[in-house]
Amino acid sequence: QQQVKQSPQSLIVQKGGISIINCAYENTAFDYFPWYQQFPGKGPALLIAIRPDVSEKKEGRFTISFNKSAKQFSLHIMDSQPGDSATYFCAASVRTGANNLFFGTGTRLTVIP
Amino acid sequence: EAGVAQSPRYKIIEKRQSVAFWCNPISGHATLYWYQQILGQGPKLLIQFQNNGVVDDSQLPKDRFSAERLKGVDSTLKIQPAKLEDSAVYLCASSLAGTGGANEQFFGPGTRLTVL
Repeated sequence: QQQVKQSPQSLIVQKGGISIINCAYENTAFDYFPWYQQFPGKGPALLIAIRPDVSEKKEGRFTISFNKSAKQFSLHIMDSQPGDSATYFCAASVRTGANNLFFGTGTRLTVIP
Repeated sequence: EAGVAQSPRYKIIEKRQSVAFWCNPISGHATLYWYQQILGQGPKLLIQFQNNGVVDDSQLPKDRFSAERLKGVDSTLKIQPAKLEDSAVYLCASSLAGTGGANEQFFGPGTRLTVL
């Protein structure tokens, strides 16, 4: 059973546009929601993360929006650049205990110059 | 700071053969994770170590997969015998501490395994 559902599977955006990737979860015990960026041939790297006590977190051009009641969170990439072309994974975990990450299925983002 | 090191980067074997992957975590990181990433999917946790003890191996197919972390540093993941469906990228990650707190996991480049 997929603990975290992610959409879309792929996304093509013009340079300067906004990229939006959505995720949904069912386990209300999750209390840590990171986004990872993965380039071909590389391991995932943490991009930005949020805890459920805030509804939004912004770091540079990257923003996470979090809706606790809907059990949804999304990544917004403002002013998308060709260098942002990568696969993005949302994830979720419970901070107590083993702190295992449950990943979404990934979104392949292509930013066209 | 050196990142998580993994070797080999690529491995091609025939089904029913055995294979081993090696991981060296970031110095000082107590927690080590092995993930399986099948093409087009997100990473799935196979096993988590805290120092040299196993914290979670509930998703590890123990009939064919084994892992160890001797001395609480390096780790090896072994598959014996391999099946076609084991074709995937095997990622190693480490974090400063695993239990309690949202500790960032740092990933290695992975080992791409192809089983023919």
